[in-house]
Amino acid sequence: DSGVTQTPKHLITATGQRVTLRCSPRSGDLSVYWYQQSLDQGLQFLIQYYNGEERAKGNILERFSAQQFPDLHSELNLSSLELGDSALYFCASSEDSTPRDNDFGPGTRLLVL
Amino acid sequence: GQNIDQPTEMTATEGAIVQINCTYQTSGFNGLFWYQQHAGEAPTFLSYNVLDGLEEKGRFSSFLSRSKGYSYLLLKELQMKDSASYLCAVVYYQAGTALIFGKGTTLSVSS
Repeated sequence: DSGVTQTPKHLITATGQRVTLRCSPRSGDLSVYWYQQSLDQGLQFLIQYYNGEERAKGNILERFSAQQFPDLHSELNLSSLELGDSALYFCASSEDSTPRDNDFGPGTRLLVL
Repeated sequence: GQNIDQPTEMTATEGAIVQINCTYQTSGFNGLFWYQQHAGEAPTFLSYNVLDGLEEKGRFSSFLSRSKGYSYLLLKELQMKDSASYLCAVVYYQAGTALIFGKGTTLSVSS
């Protein structure tokens, strides 16, 4: 068990809807990373937060947003959902601003119908 | 962009040795990871290389040549449970401090 937790494990919703995915990092970790994994694109980095501030941005759509709260948990908000947003969404955390000791959560499987 | 290339699929038999290669763009390189991922599960950490050379950890070893933009993961004494996807991921300065992943190599181990 990596210590990184994600909720929910599974999510089924319809096109046009909005969902929120939640991640709690390992105890003591300050960075949270969000990744999307779909069959055709592989694992894609979306965004990183470090100690509450946005640190790095990857291939994150404008319909997606994230934040990290004072207790260091993070939420990824996906809006105006499309069929192509169906994917596994992973959160990872690391102790500092680098991913050297990062560990992944179990993921949230999102299905958009 | 930062292209990371690795073979799509590989096959091997139990007890054998397999080498999975990864090539990447060297500009802005700041470290390379190997992960193992079983279908539907989270990636699990295998190795981290930031300096040239070979890092050995049990049945798994990872090699890095920064000047050549090349790494490999060596798996010895293959077991059926090693059938999985192996992901090469690089940290680039330009991408902040996040990981850029290759598309992964699916390894099938047969008896």
